[in-house]
Amino acid sequence: AQRVTQPEKLLSVFKGAPVELKCNYSYSGSPELFWYVQYSRQRLQLLLRHISRESIKGFTADLNKGETSFHLKKPFAQEEDSAMYYCALIWGNTDKLIFGTGTRLQVFP
Amino acid sequence: EPEVTQTPSHQVTQMGQEVILRCVPISNHLYFYWYRQILGQKVEFLVSFYNNEISEKSEIFDDQFSVERPDGSNFTLKIRSTKLEDSAMYFCASVLIVTGELFFGEGSRLTVL
Repeated sequence: AQRVTQPEKLLSVFKGAPVELKCNYSYSGSPELFWYVQYSRQRLQLLLRHISRESIKGFTADLNKGETSFHLKKPFAQEEDSAMYYCALIWGNTDKLIFGTGTRLQVFP
Repeated sequence: EPEVTQTPSHQVTQMGQEVILRCVPISNHLYFYWYRQILGQKVEFLVSFYNNEISEKSEIFDDQFSVERPDGSNFTLKIRSTKLEDSAMYFCASVLIVTGELFFGEGSRLTVL
């Protein structure tokens, strides 16, 4: 079955430190991978998707098919990056998006 | 900017009662979803709805659950006889075409006592 794994429930860093939120997936085909973010008291929203290869708010994520990973990175964390981050996957001809368990990022001043 | 809206924001109910959670998707969207998140757990897919019928559903979405699009704007999730374990945040989402970018509502918190 398709699965998205985020091994860290909580990641705490200081402002200016690099951040890497890990995501691994299990799917034998070619999935589409996404990162969603939920800031405090806000709705879940798309942060970035692998096919667009863009950087949003300084975050990037590279799909590594060999390692089946899609880690989210930012070289210098900001306090406003504190939020819940969810890795998500959609595959084949399905229309459902499945989520990982989420990682709470805390950025301290 | 158009948004998905959900009502109520919080509902408390007794076990065994029926609950209807309402969603107004973004007006031109064609695919509609319900997800739930039990406290401290992941966001779980419940059901997707397209062209006035269920497109996919998860094993969680058993006979106690139903969805309906009674008019051109609302999309509802009904739980016929709530159980304690139905306590969760329920999220509605919609999208024009299946791209993986779902637009979520703020959620409805259901507490079953």
